[in-house]
Amino acid sequence: QLQLQESGPGLVKPSETLSLTCIVSGGSISSSGYYWGWIRQPPGKGLEYIGTVPNTGTTYHNPSLKSRVTMSVDTSKNQFSLNLTSVTAADTAVYYCARHNGDYTRWFDPWGQGTLVTVSS
Amino acid sequence: DIVMTQSPDSLAVALGERATINCKSSQSVLYSSNNKNYLAWYQQKPGQPPKLLIYWASTRESGVPDRFSGSGSGTDFTLTVSSLQAEDVAVYYCQQHYTTPHTFGQGTKLEIK
Repeated sequence: QLQLQESGPGLVKPSETLSLTCIVSGGSISSSGYYWGWIRQPPGKGLEYIGTVPNTGTTYHNPSLKSRVTMSVDTSKNQFSLNLTSVTAADTAVYYCARHNGDYTRWFDPWGQGTLVTVSS
Repeated sequence: DIVMTQSPDSLAVALGERATINCKSSQSVLYSSNNKNYLAWYQQKPGQPPKLLIYWASTRESGVPDRFSGSGSGTDFTLTVSSLQAEDVAVYYCQQHYTTPHTFGQGTKLEIK
């Protein structure tokens, strides 16, 4: 059974870069045709799509994040990563990684448990 | 971006009764080439990640109780819980995956009356 687990610092200072990794277990991140995504949820609020990254090819990110997002896949470590630059308090959220059930036009399943990242000095 | 609007924001239903949640998209999420609606439903309980319930607007995910059903096409969709159980208390989200950025509804909180 495929499992995903987010990893990274729980506290980031304003203007710095938030870096998270999603460790994939129970299956290969190189599995043909699957894309990988990031979603976040500010405390007490709804879900916001951050972006999608494939093993190779085009990444997709939410334009609302104004190109602050970079994502990558490391097949040798069976993990994928998110970097979000120039963070502010508005970036405080639970960050989830998830797998698309196919390419980027598919729903998310499964999801990681999520990790709370707080932006504060 | 496609805007997803759910109604109501919260809903209280008696145990054993029917609960209905609506989701409207600002543009159609029906892909004409395969006649599929790119609409999913998720359930989120406190402290947990969202759990997939329904995809293609009406296909129930494996293991999801059959009291959950999805319907609709184009821009208007519904999630129905036919007989509410205590474990169904949660926030429910619809999501369009027709185009990026994928977008979610604001969520509907389902409670017991």
